Amino acid sequence: AQSVAQPEDQVNVAEGNPLTVKCTYSVSGNPYLFWYVQYPNRGLQFLLKYITGDNLVKGSYGFEAEFNKSQTSFHLKKPSALVSDSALYFCAVENGNKLVFGAGTILRVKS
Amino acid sequence: EAGVVQSPRYKIIEKKQPVAFWCNPISGHNTLYWYLQNLGQGPELLIRYENEEAVDDSQLPKDRFSAERLKGVDSTLKIQPAELGDSAVYLCASSFGSGAYNEQFFGPGTRLTVL
Repeated sequence: AQSVAQPEDQVNVAEGNPLTVKCTYSVSGNPYLFWYVQYPNRGLQFLLKYITGDNLVKGSYGFEAEFNKSQTSFHLKKPSALVSDSALYFCAVENGNKLVFGAGTILRVKS
Repeated sequence: EAGVVQSPRYKIIEKKQPVAFWCNPISGHNTLYWYLQNLGQGPELLIRYENEEAVDDSQLPKDRFSAERLKGVDSTLKIQPAELGDSAVYLCASSFGSGAYNEQFFGPGTRLTVL
């Protein structure tokens, strides 16, 4: 079965520093991979997706993610973190026309 | 453009009582999803509709959960009777198109507390 793992429960980073939120996947075939963000008391918001093509995917709010087939990873990155980026981030993989989400990683950006 | 609307936002009930959640998707979105999100976990799909047809309800506990989307627009998810373990956030999402590679738009969720 398709699945994703987010190995870090929480990531702490200083404002202005680069950030990385990790995601690894376990799929058969070519995966469709996604990142969503959840702010408190709000629904999940789509950030970006990898379907095919360029391994570096650019998304909303300055985020990007790199698909690495050899390492089965799809890490979320941003060159310069903002305090407003603090939220809960979910990696997801498509499995039979539905999304399977990871457990989520809390990102805390401190000023 | 209005987003996905869910009501109520919060619900507190006694165990064994029934409860219903309502979702109105983004206009024109033919695919509607109900997810369950437990504390500290990612959302898990309960049921997926394409128009009025439930095309994936394999994860829906059918002994107590039911859902409907009669006219292919808004949808209702019901639990009867509720159990303590049903306390969670129930999320509704919609997308244009049926493939999971289509961006899903999520509502704010309904937080259910069963006492």
